[in-house]
Amino acid sequence: DAGVTQSPTHLIKTRGQQVTLRCSPKSGHDTVSWYQQALGQGPQFIFQYYEEEERQRGNFPDRFSGHQFPNYSSELNVNALLLGDSALYLCASSPQGDWNIQYFGAGTRLSVL
Amino acid sequence: AQSVAQPEDQVNVAEGNPLTVKCTYSVSGNPYLFWYVQYPNRGLQFLLKYITGDNLVKGSYGFEAEFNKSQTSFHLKKPSALVSDSALYFCAVRGGGYGGSQGNLIFGKGTKLSVKP
Repeated sequence: DAGVTQSPTHLIKTRGQQVTLRCSPKSGHDTVSWYQQALGQGPQFIFQYYEEEERQRGNFPDRFSGHQFPNYSSELNVNALLLGDSALYLCASSPQGDWNIQYFGAGTRLSVL
Repeated sequence: AQSVAQPEDQVNVAEGNPLTVKCTYSVSGNPYLFWYVQYPNRGLQFLLKYITGDNLVKGSYGFEAEFNKSQTSFHLKKPSALVSDSALYFCAVRGGGYGGSQGNLIFGKGTKLSVKP
């Protein structure tokens, strides 16, 4: 049983560009959350998707958007990249009806130059 | 607003000795508390959670945590540390709100645990 998988592993972009990160949840999980982890900090909640809709959002600008597909996989899109967007982006999935345990992927390391 | 604090940036322990990684919380309502561990270049791995019930919670890899309501603390403990326990440890609390808005986790800044042979 595969866990949460994220792609790509690493990504280098320049300021102003757009990026798409992808996440496949653990089998049987229908809820996907995205977190941003800056260097030396704890993860910060970006948003959560359930039934293909954004259910909750953290304190992130509209440049950050997402999508969830019918197979529960998800994408995180970031437009107009800033240097400060450089971070590890983590995807987490939760089983149906239980948000109390979130299983994390290994993350995508985004570097903005 | 929900929050957690990890007062120590780093904890150093000798192998075989007991370890404690501290966490305090601030919540409105009942706290839902978690510990995660992060190894280099890896995602977070769930260790244990406190929702309700016994104040001593047992988790993965021999770790346990003690919930103390009066001190608003949820310290992570292990009776005998291993070198392989060296990693970054995060305390987290479930976000507030109702229904679907409770799904997010609010993390502390993390504590680096270093276990020396």
